[in-house]
Amino acid sequence: QLQLQESGPGLVKPSETLSLTCTVSGGSISSSSYYWGWIRQPPGKGLEWIGSFYYSGSTSYNPSLKSRVIISVDTSKNQFSLKVSSVTAADTAVYYCARGGTITDVVVVWGQGTLVTVSP
Amino acid sequence: EIVLTQSPGTLSLSPGERATLSCRASQSVTSNYLAWHQQKPGQAPRLLIYGASSRATGIPDRFSGSGSGTDFTLTISRVEPEDFAVYYCQQYGSSPRTFGQGTKLEI
Repeated sequence: QLQLQESGPGLVKPSETLSLTCTVSGGSISSSSYYWGWIRQPPGKGLEWIGSFYYSGSTSYNPSLKSRVIISVDTSKNQFSLKVSSVTAADTAVYYCARGGTITDVVVVWGQGTLVTVSP
Repeated sequence: EIVLTQSPGTLSLSPGERATLSCRASQSVTSNYLAWHQQKPGQAPRLLIYGASSRATGIPDRFSGSGSGTDFTLTISRVEPEDFAVYYCQQYGSSPRTFGQGTKLEI
């Protein structure tokens, strides 16, 4: 059964870079024709799509974050990563990694999520 | 950017009743690429419906989705105790993908 697990620092200082990794088990990023991506949810608020990529490499980002976000993949480790630069308190959220479908990036499988707090 | 507006904000029902949740888009959703996700407190969301009306794997048939264009509905035919949660609609036909603000289904 496919499982996604987010990992990374739970506390990041303002102006620094937030870095998270999603480890995929029960399936291979490189051998499966799926979309993969990141979504976040500020405490007590709704969901925000950050970006997604197709297994062959094309990536899409939310324009509201595009200048600060990079999604990358390491197929040798069956992981993909998120970096958000120049963070502020507004970037405090639970970050979810996810697997989409084969034709679209509708979120089919969610990771459990990890809380990242931006604070001095 | 497509804005999704969900109504009502909160829906108070008793087990066994029918729930009707609405999601209205600011412009037509491409190919009816509209999904519904359920989120319980402290948990990650779970996909219920995709393509406006297709149930995801393992989702009970009391959940159904309908609609097209700009108006979509999630219906729970008979609410079970485990269905009390927040429900989000999501469009994935245009970039950026967007979510509604959520409808809380409470007892």
